[in-house]
Amino acid sequence: TQLLEQSPQFLSIQEGENLTVYCNSSSVFSSLQWYRQEPGEGPVLLVTVVTGGEVKKLKRLTFQFGDARKDSSLHITAAQPGDTGLYLCAGAVWTNAGKSTFGDGTTLTVKP
Amino acid sequence: EPEVTQTPSHQVTQMGQEVILRCVPISNHLYFYWYRQILGQKVEFLVSFYNNEISEKSEIFDDQFSVERPDGSNFTLKIRSTKLEDSAMYFCASRSTENTEAFFGQGTRLTVV
Repeated sequence: TQLLEQSPQFLSIQEGENLTVYCNSSSVFSSLQWYRQEPGEGPVLLVTVVTGGEVKKLKRLTFQFGDARKDSSLHITAAQPGDTGLYLCAGAVWTNAGKSTFGDGTTLTVKP
Repeated sequence: EPEVTQTPSHQVTQMGQEVILRCVPISNHLYFYWYRQILGQKVEFLVSFYNNEISEKSEIFDDQFSVERPDGSNFTLKIRSTKLEDSAMYFCASRSTENTEAFFGQGTRLTVV
C-alpha cells in the first residue's frame, strides 16, 4: 500500500511570510501532482513533476520532486491571503492503472 | 479549457435507495476514475476504468458499487443500496494517457439520510 504523508497538516502565517509544505513517502512514484482544493469543490491541478530532482515554478510557488521520486515539496514565497486553501499532493504509478494516492492535505491560512 | 463535469452537484437520498452519479470526462481522455472524500478526510481511490472495463478497484468498491460508460461521453457510478456511511463528496477524474496528470470534476456531494 502506498502512503503519502503531508506536513504540516495546518499552517497559519502572516501575509508576506514564506512557507514550505512537505509530501513524503516510502514508495517511488512515476509522477507527483500538487492540487489545491477549495471547500465543497474538486481538486484543481497546480503542477505535475515527473523527473527526480525536477523543480517547477508557478509564479510565487516552487515545486520540487525528490531525487528518488519519493518526496516533494511546495514552497510559497511572500504568501498572500489569496493563497489560503487546502493543498494536496498526489502520487501516481503508471503501471498501477494510473490511480492517484493522495496525502492528507495541508490547510494553509494566510492572514492579512 | 476542457474540463470534467459532474452532475448533480448535490444529491440527497434515503438510506437503501439507489443513486447514480454522472460524469462527463474530458473528450479525448481514455482513463477514468472515481474517488470519494468523506468530510474532513483524505481523497480515496474507488475505481479506475479503461477500455470499457474496470482496471483496478479499492476495497471500498464492493458489490454495492458499479461503474458504466454507457456511451462515448458519460461515465457513471451507481450505488445500489446506499448506506449512511456512503455520504461523501464523489469526484470523477480522467486522464488522457496513463502517464499524464488526472483532472478532477467539481464533485457530487452525496448525503444519505
